[in-house]
Amino acid sequence: DTGVSQDPRHKITKRGQNVTFRCDPISEHNRLYWYRQTLGQGPEFLTYFQNEAQLEKSRLLSDRFSAERPKGSFSTLEIQRTEQGDSAMYLCASSLGGGPSQETQYFGPGTRLLVL
Amino acid sequence: RKEVEQDPGPFNVPEGATVAFNCTYSNSASQSFFWYRQDCRKEPKLLMSVYSSGNEDGRFTAQLNRASQYISLLIRDSKLSDSATYLCVVDSGTYKYIFGTGTRLKVLA
Repeated sequence: DTGVSQDPRHKITKRGQNVTFRCDPISEHNRLYWYRQTLGQGPEFLTYFQNEAQLEKSRLLSDRFSAERPKGSFSTLEIQRTEQGDSAMYLCASSLGGGPSQETQYFGPGTRLLVL
Repeated sequence: RKEVEQDPGPFNVPEGATVAFNCTYSNSASQSFFWYRQDCRKEPKLLMSVYSSGNEDGRFTAQLNRASQYISLLIRDSKLSDSATYLCVVDSGTYKYIFGTGTRLKVLA
């Protein structure tokens, strides 16, 4: 399977714990995006990378959230001191990023987080 | 005003019907537009890009109206399998993309 993969698919944690999610984009895709989606809403932009550089981060992303893409391949999203309001589906997407015709984003299956 | 707005629906239509969705956007600098389809508890999948000249893919037609800042999606001859949420996506003027809340479509037998 050469699509975007995410791990884990599901995570249940207690409030106050730290969690880390991983995303493996499609090989050779330069851009990688993280989104959060709650029930009845569209995906909400969190951050994106061009290769290893984090180019934009949502104002909605508190200091408890951090993302990395150290070698320009896979990425991790960490949430520290989780809160119940962090419960959501976390989606990763990647795109070639070589110009207007290469902006299509391909999504992974998501990581569903439940904070108790 | 939200950056991207869609009517959440639901739109309940009989099989074979034609249905149209609109999506308005606020940033006049936006250049890239897409429609994605999302099935329940699944990830979004690209349905089609939206080009200035409009484009068609089988039963699906997408249009862009820059003057009024909206895009549309027309589905002809609806099938039961078209039941899903349709997400409008617009770039923010950079490579950050804004999704609408989605429009739910249910095609009834």
